[in-house]
Amino acid sequence: IAGITQAPTSQILAAGRRMTLRCTQDMRHNAMYWYRQDLGLGLRLIHYSNTAGTTGKGEVPDGYSVSRANTDDFPLTLASAVPSQTSVYFCASSTRSGLSYNEQFFGPGTRLTVL
Amino acid sequence: AQSVTQLDSHVSVSEGTPVLLRCNYSSSYSPSLFWYVQHPNKGLQLLLKYTSAATLVKGINGFEAEFKKSETSFHLTKPSAHMSDAAEYFCVVRTNTGNQFYFGTGTSLTVIP
Repeated sequence: IAGITQAPTSQILAAGRRMTLRCTQDMRHNAMYWYRQDLGLGLRLIHYSNTAGTTGKGEVPDGYSVSRANTDDFPLTLASAVPSQTSVYFCASSTRSGLSYNEQFFGPGTRLTVL
Repeated sequence: AQSVTQLDSHVSVSEGTPVLLRCNYSSSYSPSLFWYVQHPNKGLQLLLKYTSAATLVKGINGFEAEFKKSETSFHLTKPSAHMSDAAEYFCVVRTNTGNQFYFGTGTSLTVIP
């Protein structure tokens, strides 16, 4: 693995189903993030984690949950998918320098369609 | 509060002509600023970043940007567009103490042969 990997690449899901999007990084970065990208809206932060064992809510957290059991993995779970969660999901990571965080590195994305 | 405004949703240039993608930011603190590029069906790649050092920042693929505090701007430029520059470009602001990154809505660059 080099960088950030996401799985699956794409998925079609029935409404009401549970889905977990996987994200793994091998750069030992402290912080990890989940974004969704929708046309005309740019990227919006769903959840983030500053370090293993901690998570926080972003701009659009409703309907999503995350966990950070270790440094490398940051899965995003949709407990009961709805059509408005149709989007492209990007995982990202960054290192920390003092009180601030450096630039983010992005995975290739997961295209999710909820019918 | 922090925010980013990308002034053009679409920019079209001819190959070999200059590129200008405009970005204005709002930040209560000294910001760090980034430009990312996204090619179709790909993830985002960092082009360049400003983190309070030199105000003129050079990035990859011939792109550069100038931080102008008085104008709260961080416009992205390139002297001569190439076909491979056709992509979506995002301006991003982050406060210097924190891990919240704020994305603009993106500018789609078309390069005409």
